[in-house]
Amino acid sequence: EPEVTQTPSHQVTQMGQEVILRCVPISNHLYFYWYRQILGQKVEFLVSFYNNEISEKSEIFDDQFSVERPDGSNFTLKIRSTKLEDSAMYFCASSGKDIPLYGYTFGSGTRLTVV
Amino acid sequence: AQSVTQPDIHITVSEGASLELRCNYSYGATPYLFWYVQSPGQGLQLLLKYFSGDTLVQGIKGFEAEFKRSQSSFNLRKPSVHWSDAAEYFCAVGLSGNTGKLIFGQGTTLQVKP
Repeated sequence: EPEVTQTPSHQVTQMGQEVILRCVPISNHLYFYWYRQILGQKVEFLVSFYNNEISEKSEIFDDQFSVERPDGSNFTLKIRSTKLEDSAMYFCASSGKDIPLYGYTFGSGTRLTVV
Repeated sequence: AQSVTQPDIHITVSEGASLELRCNYSYGATPYLFWYVQSPGQGLQLLLKYFSGDTLVQGIKGFEAEFKRSQSSFNLRKPSVHWSDAAEYFCAVGLSGNTGKLIFGQGTTLQVKP
């Protein structure tokens, strides 16, 4: 069964550093997403991406965050200057077909620890 | 605004007992509803989903859920719980429209007693 692949599984970074989280969505999917889950809390939507542009973003997704699909296969989330409160599990998801909620598949996540 | 409420933060059941996890949503249009399970330190695994049709939905691992429009609920059930079901369970609402955004509830932690 096709999978969404996220790398690395765990990343530790120093406060103020830039970090890039990588995702390889399912190959024929068209819609891409990032979510985050702070430890012990619910999963929160960050951003959706379609047709090479952001289609929706949450209030969490401020100027410190950006997303990119640099080469048609990867989908990245960049945090420019990490803060302690950015420590969380970050999930990538993708979906295909005409209705984006169909075939929604999550990756296994990247645990980001900011020290 | 759209929201998902899981009233029970923590539930403990004995192995072999039945289980029901509650989920209520607030959304003006017809919702797309999901249940996910998350084991400690792991990702989100889809248990089942409801888009339309039969309001009783069967999922993996013996779980089922029933959509009740009149109650704005989508409760998850399992007739006989196994120790391996201990995990965190998230209900989510998918919003119709182009973005496919999911809104998650706070989650319910299930503990299974031997």
